[in-house]
Amino acid sequence: RKEVEQDPGPFNVPEGATVAFNCTYSNSASQSFFWYRQDCRKEPKLLMSVYSSGNEDGRFTAQLNRASQYISLLIRDSKLSDSATYLCVVSEYSSASKIIFGSGTRLSIRP
Amino acid sequence: DAMVIQNPRYQVTQFGKPVTLSCSQTLNHNVMYWYQQKSSQAPKLLFHYYDKDFNNEADTPDNFQSRRPNTSFCFLDIRSPGLGDAAMYLCATSRVKGPRGGLMNTEAFFGQGTRLTVV
Repeated sequence: RKEVEQDPGPFNVPEGATVAFNCTYSNSASQSFFWYRQDCRKEPKLLMSVYSSGNEDGRFTAQLNRASQYISLLIRDSKLSDSATYLCVVSEYSSASKIIFGSGTRLSIRP
Repeated sequence: DAMVIQNPRYQVTQFGKPVTLSCSQTLNHNVMYWYQQKSSQAPKLLFHYYDKDFNNEADTPDNFQSRRPNTSFCFLDIRSPGLGDAAMYLCATSRVKGPRGGLMNTEAFFGQGTRLTVV
C-alpha cells in the first residue's frame, strides 16, 4: 500500500465549477499535512497547510480527518488558472521527519 | 530572491559518466531532501538529511549517493547514470521545530529543479 494515495484524475471541469480532491495516508504517526500545486515542468509550490480544524484560503478549503487518515481539498468557483496538478503531502512525525508526496491529481479547467 | 537554489537547471550527461547535482539554501533549514520526478509522476523521495543524519529510502538504488558538507549545501551524486535516470531532480528543505521527533515539520521549500538528460 502506498504511503499517500490520491485519485489520479484527470479532472476536467468547466470554469466556475466546484471540485474536490481526496487523499488518504497510511502512517498514523503523520503529523503535518499540506496541499501543493505543480504546474507543468515547474517545481511544486505550497498551496496551503492542512489543520485538524480545517482551514480556508479564499476559494480553497482544506480538511483533515485524523481518525480516517483522510485529507481533502475543495476548490470553489474554479478559474482557468487553477489548471495544474495538485499534490497531497504528508510529513511523518518521527526521528527521520520525512515528507512524502501523493501521486497527484491533474485538474483541467475548461472555458 | 530564491531561497533554495539548484545548479545546474539543465544537465546532459553521458551514459555511465558520473554526475553531481547541487543544491544550496539560505533558509538555514535543518532538513534537506532529494526527490526524483519523472514525467506525469509525483516526486519520489530518494533520501534526506536531518541535520547531519542521512536517511536513505529503502528503494533508492545504490547508484544514487548524497553529501551534505554543511547546513547550506547538499549534493546528489549519480555514480553511473543510466537512461532510466533521466528525470527532474528536485531539492527541498524544511525545518523541524522542537526536539528530534518533536512538534512539527514545516512545509517543504523547493528549488527549481535540475532536469537531467542521459545520452
